[in-house]
Amino acid sequence: DQQVKQNSPSLSVQEGRISILNCDYTNSMFDYFLWYKKYPAEGPTFLISISSIKDKNEDGRFTVFLNKSAKHLSLHIVPSQPGDSAVYFCAARDHTYSSNTGKLIFGQGTTLQVKP
Amino acid sequence: GAVVSQHPSWVICKSGTSVKIECRSLDFQATTMFWYRQFPKQSLMLMATSNEGSKATYEQGVEKDKFLINHASLTLSTLTVTSAHPEDSSFYICSARDLGTGTHYEQYFGPGTRLTVT
Repeated sequence: DQQVKQNSPSLSVQEGRISILNCDYTNSMFDYFLWYKKYPAEGPTFLISISSIKDKNEDGRFTVFLNKSAKHLSLHIVPSQPGDSAVYFCAARDHTYSSNTGKLIFGQGTTLQVKP
Repeated sequence: GAVVSQHPSWVICKSGTSVKIECRSLDFQATTMFWYRQFPKQSLMLMATSNEGSKATYEQGVEKDKFLINHASLTLSTLTVTSAHPEDSSFYICSARDLGTGTHYEQYFGPGTRLTVT
């Protein structure tokens, strides 16, 4: 059972435009959501997170929106740059697993290509 | 800060042999480390949670006797793939939580280890 889903395997946008990456989840016990960026043959790097009690968090060009009623979150990148081209993973923490260990559940990832 | 290293970055081994992968937190202490596996074009699948000084907690379906995890210090966790077979070929990634400065939910990832079993 895929608790975190990224239904778009790939996304292509023009440099300077907005990139919107989407993520859906099913577990209402998730209390934190995170976005990671991953280049090939490298480990993921943390981008931005949001608590389940908020609906928006912004950090520079990156903004994450959370719609709890729809169990949906999205990552907006504005303006998109060629260096943003990577795989983006949505992840969620299930606090019922253990608040000490903080297990994360990842989506399948979306490959973003930003064209110059 | 919050740098995690893995060694080796890639390894090729023959079927039936064992391979050890190291995960180190370079500038922070990590009481908890996580081991993930990623198949091509798929998500990161958590294999186990490694706790310093105690036994690892394995996810359902992961063979604990095949994937041996040792977390002997606050900066080092090792994953040993025993009697490796071609189906064990994958990209293995570790992560760690920085209890000193990190949030209680954020994980820092290593660069990963590409294992190929021939």
